[in-house]
Amino acid sequence: DAGITQSPRHKVTETGTPVTLRCHQTENHRYMYWYRQDPGHGLRLIHYSYGVKDTDKGEVSDGYSVSRSKTEDFLLTLESATSSQTSVYFCAISGASGETTQETQYFGPGTRLLVL
Amino acid sequence: QQPVQSPQAVILREGEDAVINCSSSKALYSVHWYRQKHGEAPVFLMILLKGGEQKGHDKISASFNEKKQQSSLYLTASQLSYSGTYFCGTEFYNQGGKLIFGQGTELSVKP
Repeated sequence: DAGITQSPRHKVTETGTPVTLRCHQTENHRYMYWYRQDPGHGLRLIHYSYGVKDTDKGEVSDGYSVSRSKTEDFLLTLESATSSQTSVYFCAISGASGETTQETQYFGPGTRLLVL
Repeated sequence: QQPVQSPQAVILREGEDAVINCSSSKALYSVHWYRQKHGEAPVFLMILLKGGEQKGHDKISASFNEKKQQSSLYLTASQLSYSGTYFCGTEFYNQGGKLIFGQGTELSVKP
Protein backbone atom coordinates (compact mmCIF):
# COMPACT_ATOMS: atom_id res chain seq x y z
CA ASP A 1 0.00 0.00 0.00
CA ALA A 2 1.17 3.50 -0.81
CA GLY A 3 -0.06 5.14 2.39
CA ILE A 4 -3.21 6.76 1.05
CA THR A 5 -6.42 7.15 3.00
CA GLN A 6 -9.73 8.65 1.99
CA SER A 7 -12.48 9.95 4.23
CA PRO A 8 -15.29 9.38 4.54
CA ARG A 9 -15.44 5.94 2.92
CA HIS A 10 -19.19 6.14 2.47
CA LYS A 11 -21.52 9.11 2.44
CA VAL A 12 -25.19 9.69 1.77
CA THR A 13 -26.27 13.28 1.25
CA GLU A 14 -29.13 15.28 -0.18
CA THR A 15 -29.26 17.30 -3.37
CA GLY A 16 -28.06 20.85 -2.86
CA THR A 17 -25.84 20.24 0.16
CA PRO A 18 -22.08 20.83 0.08
CA VAL A 19 -19.82 17.81 0.43
CA THR A 20 -16.08 17.62 1.04
CA LEU A 21 -14.01 14.49 0.50
CA ARG A 22 -10.52 14.20 1.90
CA CYS A 23 -7.48 12.41 0.56
CA HIS A 24 -4.49 12.04 2.87
CA GLN A 25 -1.08 10.60 1.96
CA THR A 26 1.96 9.79 4.07
CA GLU A 27 4.31 9.22 1.14
CA ASN A 28 5.34 12.80 0.35
CA HIS A 29 4.32 12.33 -3.29
CA ARG A 30 4.17 15.52 -5.28
CA TYR A 31 1.17 14.82 -7.51
CA MET A 32 -2.36 14.08 -6.35
CA TYR A 33 -5.48 13.33 -8.39
CA TRP A 34 -9.22 12.98 -7.94
CA TYR A 35 -11.13 10.58 -10.20
CA ARG A 36 -14.72 9.46 -10.35
CA GLN A 37 -15.70 5.99 -11.49
CA ASP A 38 -19.05 5.19 -13.02
CA PRO A 39 -20.22 2.02 -14.79
CA GLY A 40 -19.27 2.07 -18.48
CA HIS A 41 -17.04 5.13 -18.12
CA GLY A 42 -13.94 3.84 -16.43
CA LEU A 43 -12.00 6.36 -14.37
CA ARG A 44 -12.40 10.01 -15.26
CA LEU A 45 -10.09 12.74 -13.96
CA ILE A 46 -11.83 15.54 -12.05
CA HIS A 47 -8.92 17.68 -10.82
CA TYR A 48 -5.29 17.18 -10.05
CA SER A 49 -2.52 18.91 -8.14
CA TYR A 50 1.15 19.22 -9.00
CA GLY A 51 2.16 20.84 -5.73
CA VAL A 52 0.89 22.77 -2.72
CA LYS A 53 -1.63 25.36 -3.92
CA ASP A 54 -1.09 24.25 -7.54
CA THR A 55 -4.11 22.60 -9.09
CA ASP A 56 -5.62 22.15 -12.53
CA LYS A 57 -8.82 20.85 -14.09
CA GLY A 58 -9.37 17.41 -15.49
CA GLU A 59 -11.93 16.20 -18.01
CA VAL A 60 -15.02 16.33 -15.73
CA SER A 61 -14.36 19.29 -13.42
CA ASP A 62 -17.73 21.09 -13.61
CA GLY A 63 -19.41 21.22 -10.21
CA TYR A 64 -16.21 20.36 -8.33
CA SER A 65 -13.48 22.38 -6.68
CA VAL A 66 -10.28 21.31 -4.96
CA SER A 67 -7.73 22.65 -2.53
CA ARG A 68 -4.28 21.58 -1.44
CA SER A 69 -2.83 23.59 1.43
CA LYS A 70 -0.40 20.85 2.55
CA THR A 71 1.55 18.22 0.64
CA GLU A 72 -0.31 15.42 2.37
CA ASP A 73 -3.92 16.57 1.93
CA PHE A 74 -6.04 17.05 -1.20
CA LEU A 75 -9.66 18.05 -0.70
CA LEU A 76 -12.47 17.64 -3.20
CA THR A 77 -15.58 19.78 -2.69
CA LEU A 78 -18.96 19.42 -4.32
CA GLU A 79 -20.36 22.92 -3.77
CA SER A 80 -23.98 21.86 -4.24
CA ALA A 81 -24.33 18.11 -4.73
CA THR A 82 -26.52 16.76 -7.53
CA SER A 83 -27.76 13.24 -8.20
CA SER A 84 -25.44 13.05 -11.24
CA GLN A 85 -22.51 13.24 -8.82
CA THR A 86 -23.44 9.93 -7.24
CA SER A 87 -20.33 7.90 -7.89
CA VAL A 88 -17.26 6.24 -6.45
CA TYR A 89 -14.46 8.75 -5.97
CA PHE A 90 -10.83 7.69 -6.00
CA CYS A 91 -7.81 9.68 -5.00
CA ALA A 92 -4.42 8.82 -6.51
CA ILE A 93 -0.84 9.96 -5.92
CA SER A 94 2.34 9.85 -7.95
CA GLY A 95 5.80 11.40 -8.13
CA ALA A 96 7.78 9.93 -5.27
CA SER A 97 10.01 12.28 -3.35
CA GLY A 98 13.20 13.03 -5.26
CA GLU A 99 11.81 11.95 -8.59
CA THR A 100 11.05 14.43 -11.32
CA THR A 101 8.74 12.16 -13.32
CA GLN A 102 5.18 11.37 -12.36
CA GLU A 103 4.78 7.87 -13.73
CA THR A 104 3.02 5.34 -11.52
CA GLN A 105 -0.21 6.40 -9.90
CA TYR A 106 -1.25 4.70 -6.65
CA PHE A 107 -4.91 4.72 -5.75
CA GLY A 108 -6.65 5.19 -2.43
CA PRO A 109 -9.48 2.88 -1.27
CA GLY A 110 -12.27 5.08 -2.66
CA THR A 111 -15.31 6.92 -1.31
CA ARG A 112 -18.83 5.86 -2.24
CA LEU A 113 -21.08 8.90 -2.49
CA LEU A 114 -24.84 8.71 -2.89
CA VAL A 115 -26.72 11.94 -3.56
CA LEU A 116 -30.46 11.63 -2.99
CA GLN B 1 -9.72 10.98 -26.65
CA GLN B 2 -10.72 8.09 -24.42
CA PRO B 3 -8.85 4.97 -25.52
CA VAL B 4 -10.91 2.02 -26.68
CA GLN B 5 -10.42 -1.31 -24.96
CA SER B 6 -11.35 -4.64 -26.48
CA PRO B 7 -12.89 -6.96 -25.71
CA GLN B 8 -15.29 -5.46 -23.18
CA ALA B 9 -15.52 -8.76 -21.34
CA VAL B 10 -13.92 -12.18 -21.52
CA ILE B 11 -14.48 -15.46 -19.69
CA LEU B 12 -11.63 -17.94 -19.39
CA ARG B 13 -10.96 -21.31 -17.86
CA GLU B 14 -7.95 -21.60 -15.59
CA GLY B 15 -4.82 -22.07 -17.64
CA GLU B 16 -6.13 -20.35 -20.77
CA ASP B 17 -4.56 -17.27 -22.32
CA ALA B 18 -6.12 -13.89 -23.06
CA VAL B 19 -5.20 -10.66 -24.82
CA ILE B 20 -6.66 -7.25 -24.00
CA ASN B 21 -6.13 -4.39 -26.42
CA CYS B 22 -6.06 -0.64 -25.83
CA SER B 23 -6.22 1.63 -28.87
CA SER B 24 -5.84 5.38 -29.12
CA SER B 25 -6.67 7.79 -31.95
CA LYS B 26 -3.99 10.17 -30.68
CA ALA B 27 -0.21 9.74 -30.43
CA LEU B 28 0.73 8.16 -27.13
CA TYR B 29 3.66 8.86 -24.84
CA SER B 30 2.96 5.95 -22.51
CA VAL B 31 0.36 3.39 -21.52
CA HIS B 32 -0.32 2.32 -17.94
CA TRP B 33 -2.14 -0.91 -17.06
CA TYR B 34 -4.18 -1.44 -13.89
CA ARG B 35 -6.29 -4.25 -12.50
CA GLN B 36 -9.28 -3.64 -10.25
CA LYS B 37 -11.13 -6.25 -8.24
CA HIS B 38 -14.74 -5.67 -7.35
CA GLY B 39 -15.13 -3.10 -4.57
CA GLU B 40 -11.42 -2.37 -4.42
CA ALA B 41 -9.03 0.28 -5.74
CA PRO B 42 -7.21 -0.12 -9.05
CA VAL B 43 -3.77 -1.68 -8.65
CA PHE B 44 -0.86 -0.76 -10.88
CA LEU B 45 0.51 -3.52 -13.12
CA MET B 46 3.01 -1.88 -15.48
CA ILE B 47 3.94 1.09 -17.65
CA LEU B 48 4.83 0.90 -21.33
CA LEU B 49 6.76 3.81 -22.76
CA LYS B 50 7.00 4.74 -26.44
CA GLY B 51 9.53 2.63 -28.24
CA GLY B 52 7.59 -0.62 -28.45
CA GLU B 53 9.21 -2.26 -25.45
CA GLN B 54 7.56 -5.22 -23.86
CA LYS B 55 7.33 -5.63 -20.12
CA GLY B 56 6.40 -8.52 -17.90
CA HIS B 57 4.93 -9.03 -14.47
CA ASP B 58 4.75 -12.68 -13.44
CA LYS B 59 2.76 -14.28 -16.29
CA ILE B 60 1.29 -10.98 -17.40
CA SER B 61 3.13 -9.03 -20.07
CA ALA B 62 2.36 -6.11 -22.33
CA SER B 63 3.56 -4.49 -25.52
CA PHE B 64 3.28 -1.04 -27.04
CA ASN B 65 2.99 -0.62 -30.79
CA GLU B 66 3.83 3.00 -31.46
CA LYS B 67 2.87 2.78 -35.15
CA LYS B 68 -0.63 1.57 -34.36
CA GLN B 69 -0.94 3.64 -31.11
CA GLN B 70 -2.00 0.46 -29.42
CA SER B 71 -1.00 -1.50 -26.37
CA SER B 72 -1.81 -5.13 -25.71
CA LEU B 73 -1.88 -6.92 -22.36
CA TYR B 74 -1.12 -10.65 -22.46
CA LEU B 75 -2.31 -12.95 -19.69
CA THR B 76 -0.68 -16.36 -19.94
CA ALA B 77 -1.89 -19.52 -18.21
CA SER B 78 -4.53 -17.54 -16.35
CA GLN B 79 -5.16 -18.09 -12.65
CA LEU B 80 -8.30 -17.48 -10.63
CA SER B 81 -6.58 -14.46 -9.07
CA TYR B 82 -6.44 -12.77 -12.48
CA SER B 83 -10.17 -12.11 -12.40
CA GLY B 84 -11.08 -8.45 -12.31
CA THR B 85 -11.45 -5.43 -14.53
CA TYR B 86 -8.40 -4.30 -16.46
CA PHE B 87 -7.94 -0.65 -17.37
CA CYS B 88 -5.44 1.00 -19.62
CA GLY B 89 -4.50 4.60 -18.88
CA THR B 90 -3.04 6.55 -21.75
CA GLU B 91 -0.68 9.47 -21.45
CA PHE B 92 -0.27 11.87 -24.36
CA TYR B 93 2.63 14.16 -25.10
CA ASN B 94 2.71 17.47 -23.22
CA GLN B 95 -0.15 16.49 -20.93
CA GLY B 96 1.79 16.75 -17.70
CA GLY B 97 1.41 13.10 -16.76
CA LYS B 98 -2.39 13.11 -16.82
CA LEU B 99 -3.94 9.76 -17.71
CA ILE B 100 -7.08 9.10 -19.76
CA PHE B 101 -8.48 5.69 -18.90
CA GLY B 102 -10.29 3.25 -21.13
CA GLN B 103 -13.69 1.90 -20.18
CA GLY B 104 -12.24 -1.34 -18.86
CA THR B 105 -12.24 -5.03 -19.77
CA GLU B 106 -13.90 -7.43 -17.35
CA LEU B 107 -12.01 -10.71 -17.08
CA SER B 108 -13.50 -13.74 -15.34
CA VAL B 109 -11.41 -16.85 -14.79
CA LYS B 110 -13.39 -19.97 -13.95
CA PRO B 111 -12.03 -23.19 -12.39
